Amino acid sequence: DAKTTQPPSMDCAEGRAANLPCNHSTISGNEYVYWYRQIHSQGPQYIIHGLKNNETNEMASLIITEDRKSSTLILPHATLRDTAVYYCIVTSGTYKYIFGTGTRLKVLA
Amino acid sequence: DAGVIQSPRHEVTEMGQEVTLRCKPISGHNSLFWYRQTMMRGLELLIYFNNNVPIDDSGMPEDRFSAKMPNASFSTLKIQPSEPRDSAVYFCASSLSESYGYTFGSGTRLTVV
Repeated sequence: DAKTTQPPSMDCAEGRAANLPCNHSTISGNEYVYWYRQIHSQGPQYIIHGLKNNETNEMASLIITEDRKSSTLILPHATLRDTAVYYCIVTSGTYKYIFGTGTRLKVLA
Repeated sequence: DAGVIQSPRHEVTEMGQEVTLRCKPISGHNSLFWYRQTMMRGLELLIYFNNNVPIDDSGMPEDRFSAKMPNASFSTLKIQPSEPRDSAVYFCASSLSESYGYTFGSGTRLTVV
């Protein structure tokens, strides 16, 4: 599975959009982009995934560039409860996720 | 649905003792995963079951670790004998299939003293 690169930390003001980038320049054609988050001391929580089209659900939007080498997770109106570590994972759909170190998002009041 | 249920939430045991962690996956999910999380190594996949059959146990650290899934609604992870370096948070997760998002339990925090 392709390697991902994420910034180690980000801050976002409460009520503003949080845009979390992920670089996956070695992604191959059959690999999906998954996003999970882990709120302190809880298990990781699935957020969204996509292949090449942009995706939206009740939690977030996922924007994948046309060349698929990077993506952005967007939390449209961040709240304090969105403070967490966010993991970007690229996988061909097999079970072997590599979680990496993620981005620690801090939402500020 | 109550989600993935793990027990106990916390376990403190002495080195050399046997430890058993338990997991009840979401009903209808046919994939089950055991993960371990430490500060040093992050989240690591230990073992993956599909339809109650172990598919990949290459992440199990050593023979002291074993996992079973006797039926679709229950799995155990056993460490015998336990060592201080086994101290970690152990998560169980289940999924409809490999390509669906995983639902994780709340984890078991294991401390071996």
